[in-house]
Amino acid sequence: AQSVAQPEDQVNVAEGNPLTVKCTYSVSGNPYLFWYVQYPNRGLQFLLKYITGDNLVKGSYGFEAEFNKSQTSFHLKKPSALVSDSALYFCALLSWGGGADGLTFGKGTHLIIQP
Amino acid sequence: EADIYQTPRYLVIGTGKKITLECSQTMGHDKMYWYQQDPGMELHLIHYSYGVNSTEKGDLSSESTVSRIRTEHFPLTLESARPSHTSQYLCASTLASYNEQFFGPGTRLTVL
Repeated sequence: AQSVAQPEDQVNVAEGNPLTVKCTYSVSGNPYLFWYVQYPNRGLQFLLKYITGDNLVKGSYGFEAEFNKSQTSFHLKKPSALVSDSALYFCALLSWGGGADGLTFGKGTHLIIQP
Repeated sequence: EADIYQTPRYLVIGTGKKITLECSQTMGHDKMYWYQQDPGMELHLIHYSYGVNSTEKGDLSSESTVSRIRTEHFPLTLESARPSHTSQYLCASTLASYNEQFFGPGTRLTVL
């Protein structure tokens, strides 16, 4: 069975500092990985994805993520945090080819950017 | 903003009532999904569809049922709501599995 782990329930960062939200995964076969963000009382918004190719993926709002196969990680990063980045972030793994065709999500990480 | 809509946004009902949560998308996507988001904010796939007349159960067992009679419409029904069904329900669609999914704003259901 495949799984996604987000080891931190909450990450606190001062505005202007770099931020990292951690994600590790477990899957047999090639991983297709996604990051989504959720603002209060809203649905999820897509940030970026890794399917194949360059290990550094750039996405929306200045976010990027680094795929590391040996460490089975896909950490989300941003060089300089904004207060408006405060939200709930989900890492997700696509499951297909024999299982349910949908996303397996991590538990989510609350990102709090302090002014 | 994605062209995927859910109604109602909020619903408070009594135990035993039958309810239908609506989800519609105007992007022509064949693949649609329902996710349940529990109070702890975890998300679990409960239903998905590959297209018209296709429905499958997801990873999390659910007492709800779905139908897909039209490409753009993927309603979820609870025949007899219970307090354990209290949750947020998110609908999503995509063009292909490896593409990003577009999510609706969600329906927050409270069963008393």
